[in-house]
Parts: sequence; C-alpha cells; structure tokens
Amino acid sequence: NAGVTQTPKFQVLKTGQSMTLQCAQDMNHEYMSWYRQDPGMGLRLIHYSVGAGITDQGEVPNGYNVSRSTTEDFPLRLLSAAPSQTSVYFCASSPVGPSYEQYFGPGTRLTVT
Amino acid sequence: AQTVTQSQPEMSVQEAETVTLSCTYDTSESDYYLFWYKQPPSRQMILVIRQEAYKQQNATENRFSVNFQKAAKSFSLKISDSQLGDAAMYFCAKLEGTDKLIFGTGTRLQVFP
Repeated sequence: NAGVTQTPKFQVLKTGQSMTLQCAQDMNHEYMSWYRQDPGMGLRLIHYSVGAGITDQGEVPNGYNVSRSTTEDFPLRLLSAAPSQTSVYFCASSPVGPSYEQYFGPGTRLTVT
Repeated sequence: AQTVTQSQPEMSVQEAETVTLSCTYDTSESDYYLFWYKQPPSRQMILVIRQEAYKQQNATENRFSVNFQKAAKSFSLKISDSQLGDAAMYFCAKLEGTDKLIFGTGTRLQVFP
C-alpha cells in the first residue's frame, strides 16, 4: 500500500494563479481531509469529505474548493492564489471506526509570491 | 468551537531521561478520541498514541504513555528513556465527532546527548 500520496511536494505560484493539489489514498478510507500548517498555529482543517460526493467546510475554507468524485481522490483547488495561502498542506484519510485514526500524506509546501 | 491547548512551545530533555508534554482541551462530548502526533524534520505526521475517552486506563505504546484526566480535560504525553530520534514537533489533537481533528499549536522537543 502506498497509503496517502500528495503531489506536488513543492510549488511556487504567482498571486492570482490557480492550481490543484492532488491527494490519493489506496486504503479504501471513507473520510478524507485537507489541512494547512502555518508556523505557531498547528494544523487547521480546510475541507473534509465523509464519502464520495459529500464534502463540507472546515475551519479555514475561504479561497479553496474541493470535490470528491471517487473514494480514492480528493483534490484541493486554489482558484486565485494569494500570499496568505503560503503554507504547508496536508491531506489525510481515515476509516470509519474503530478509532478514526487519520493517516497523513507527506505534505505540499506552497509558496505564493 | 472546541479548542486544544499546548502551553509549552518548546521543551528539552537529556537523552535517557523522561519528559512530559502537556495538553488540555475543551469539549462538551462525553465520548471522544485524543491523539498525539509526532512531526520530525521530514514533516511527515506520525501517530504516536491514541486514547478513547470512555476507557479509564491510560494508553501506553512502548516508551510513550499518556496521563488522561477526563474531568480536568487534560491529556499529557510522557516519553521515557528519551532518544535522539524523539526530537520533533509534537501535536496533541482531539477528534470532533468522527471526522474532524482539532490540533494544538505544538511543542518542539529537543533531545540533548
């Protein structure tokens, strides 16, 4: 099993550009989530999904879109990148029970200039 | 909104000694899950230990154990026989419902030889 994979590992964007961060998992997990990690702030939830076709907003959803057309994939789209979106982004997946442990991808470091 | 608080931004320990990292949280739920994650310089999030709130017994995983005080809403991590490889950021997290992790701001642990 590859677990949770994320691409790219690093990305530099100019303000106003758009891009999609890819996330895939091969563990047949129902739940998937996107977090951003900023210095001194821990990880904060952007969007999450409890199954294919179902998504919901987390704590910091503004400026990001998601969709979940398959169980395996959960891409995160930045529509018009802003310097405030400079961060490290983590995708995670978890099964339904018993402890709902979340498995994390390796992260994407995004810089917006 | 539920919160998780880690009041120690940095801690240090001598190799082979014991260190305790603190975590408190806020919740109105009666049953829930708590986690400690380790993030080494590689930035991969690694699950260290989990605790289910309805279980009275404190969780233990080899050199890692927790002191879970449900009434006080406290969930500290004890690392025994510290090793150089334990140096990392440690995040306390609480599962909200079944699908959202709320993270603390992290504690950076340094281990000195």
